[in-house]
Amino acid sequence: QSALTQPASVSGSPGQSITISCTGTSSDVGAYDYVSWYQQHPGQAPKVMIYDVTNRPSGVSNRFSGSKSGNTASLTISGLQAEDEADYYCSSFTVSNTAVFGGGTKVTVL
Amino acid sequence: EVQLVESGGGLVQPGESLTVSCAASGFLFSNTYYGMNWVRQAPGKGLEWVSYIYADSSTIYYADSVRGRFTISRDNARNSVYLHMNSLRDEDTAVYYCARDRRGLQMEYWGLGTLVTVSS
Repeated sequence: QSALTQPASVSGSPGQSITISCTGTSSDVGAYDYVSWYQQHPGQAPKVMIYDVTNRPSGVSNRFSGSKSGNTASLTISGLQAEDEADYYCSSFTVSNTAVFGGGTKVTVL
Repeated sequence: EVQLVESGGGLVQPGESLTVSCAASGFLFSNTYYGMNWVRQAPGKGLEWVSYIYADSSTIYYADSVRGRFTISRDNARNSVYLHMNSLRDEDTAVYYCARDRRGLQMEYWGLGTLVTVSS
């Protein structure tokens, strides 16, 4: 199972919006709505930001939103803030009853 | 408050075995909704899903990279999930996180992880 494809890095200025893409195949992202996004600050455990493609857990800012079209999912962060600087990973359930993560995207706030 | 605390990591030589544990609290561990996962992260690398076990242990999944070498189990009486790792390789070196499953192998809560180092 190959990793999902994410850009290595994305940057933006405070207040701007950025979008991180996550491209898979018809065997993972395109097959199910079990797509999640995780935020990881250095030295910390990951934290779920989006699940089931579009849902935000309680306590996660509404500046984070998710979507999916075909085999590609996306995470949008609006009103970028310094605290958003972190690594972001997407994941998807697969037809093989496994999970696959993306390679991760480093978000830099300029 | 949901808490997951991993333990049992350490330094082992290639070919050896090790078991890491995860103690859960703050929720009804044996509830049929709560499958558990292990996810690992090699130093400086991304996340890799390793294994999943359903609430009553009736369903278990493994990543291809560990199938046949690793065994996941749980003890609902002890609110714990385990990962027994055999025939360890250098490439198994990673922080091992346990994570509660929401559904569809989506991680809802994560522990802080335990570091496993495989080196001679």
